[in-house]
Amino acid sequence: EPEVTQTPSHQVTQMGQEVILRCVPISNHLYFYWYRQILGQKVEFLVSFYNNEISEKSEIFDDQFSVERPDGSNFTLKIRSTKLEDSAMYFCAWGTGSSYNSPLHFGNGTRLTVT
Amino acid sequence: DQQVKQNSPSLSVQEGRISILNCDYTNSMFDYFLWYKKYPAEGPTFLISISSIKDKNEDGRFTVFLNKSAKHLSLHIVPSQPGDSAVYFCAASESFGNEKLTFGTGTRLTIIP
Repeated sequence: EPEVTQTPSHQVTQMGQEVILRCVPISNHLYFYWYRQILGQKVEFLVSFYNNEISEKSEIFDDQFSVERPDGSNFTLKIRSTKLEDSAMYFCAWGTGSSYNSPLHFGNGTRLTVT
Repeated sequence: DQQVKQNSPSLSVQEGRISILNCDYTNSMFDYFLWYKKYPAEGPTFLISISSIKDKNEDGRFTVFLNKSAKHLSLHIVPSQPGDSAVYFCAASESFGNEKLTFGTGTRLTIIP
């Protein structure tokens, strides 16, 4: 059973619409991440989040993306105006800041389909 | 820019035999390597890791070998079991365990009963 719960499991949206993907950690994690996997491709790093701030982001994570932890519990990824190429599995992950100490743990993902 | 490559998209192995999954990397700054296993409709699950100061790490049926000069690592599963059927991802990080992982494209392993 993963230690993060992601909702929804599947989201279908029309191009140009905003979507919010949610991640709920079970225990009190500090380091959060979003990764995504376009169908048939590799899992890609999007953003890391620590102490309520973005600590690192990839080229993919442009102005259309944002993350926040509004209530100290839920960790969200917002895509403001979805594009067809945003269709992918989005994985939330939590860590300790170093894979050497403890490996990154992933949620079961949200499948986003943009039509 | 594929910094981590898994050149075999699929592999079939007889139950009880050894499964060998390969991974190559190009970035000399990578110093920590991990293998994740993924079932359909689930997130990647950590299997085993190795730091660049070692050339082998073993955990039960799983062994990871690292050849730094060749920039190559491999995962050995022995004996292979039907439950091992999944997609296996190789991943790497810089800065000794930085959790920004660079993944390969994965190898689908099928264990034949």
